[in-house]
Amino acid sequence: GENVEQHPSTLSVQEGDSAVIKCTYSDSASNYFPWYKQELGKRPQLIIDIRSNVGEKKDQRIAVTLNKTAKHFSLHITETQPEDSAVYFCAARRVSSYKLIFGSGTRLLVRP
Amino acid sequence: DAGVTQSPTHLIKTRGQQVTLRCSPKSGHDTVSWYQQALGQGPQFIFQYYEEEERQRGNFPDRFSGHQFPNYSSELNVNALLLGDSALYLCASSLEQGITDTQYFGPGTRLTVL
Repeated sequence: GENVEQHPSTLSVQEGDSAVIKCTYSDSASNYFPWYKQELGKRPQLIIDIRSNVGEKKDQRIAVTLNKTAKHFSLHITETQPEDSAVYFCAARRVSSYKLIFGSGTRLLVRP
Repeated sequence: DAGVTQSPTHLIKTRGQQVTLRCSPKSGHDTVSWYQQALGQGPQFIFQYYEEEERQRGNFPDRFSGHQFPNYSSELNVNALLLGDSALYLCASSLEQGITDTQYFGPGTRLTVL
């Protein structure tokens, strides 16, 4: 069935260090992979997304990589700042489907 | 440019009652999806509405139903509430014919069932 596994569940880094969150999907027909950031009590906000015809995408301090063969994708945050502290969710969507399948989330804490 | 809005913000109901949640999509968007987010978990897809019809549904019972209006706004109805229905209900809007069909989320409605 459709499933997205996300690791780690919690991640604590020192300000200025890099953070990496990894997700694995089960449906090989998945072709769209967004990442959302959710601060406490707020809405999930899209921070970056990637489609299956691209292997990597960058936006300032954030990058996402996709390995279709291994069916996994990762979020990389460089030069972390305290305001990066939040819960991050990965998601996947298959071709011809409209639903996003979410991972269980990673709570990122950036220590000043 | 108005983002996705939802009402009410919070709601408390008792078991067996019925509830209606409302969503207005981002300006220019025509598609609305609903998700349920239990505490500490990722959102789970309930269904999506486009052209006033439900076009895809997740693994939720028939107690969950919805509607989309001509102005693209949407309602989520839940009948015969159970304690397990307590969650944050998120709606997300997107544009069917856009360059991308990225889903943008509203702030959610926190439903507590006692």
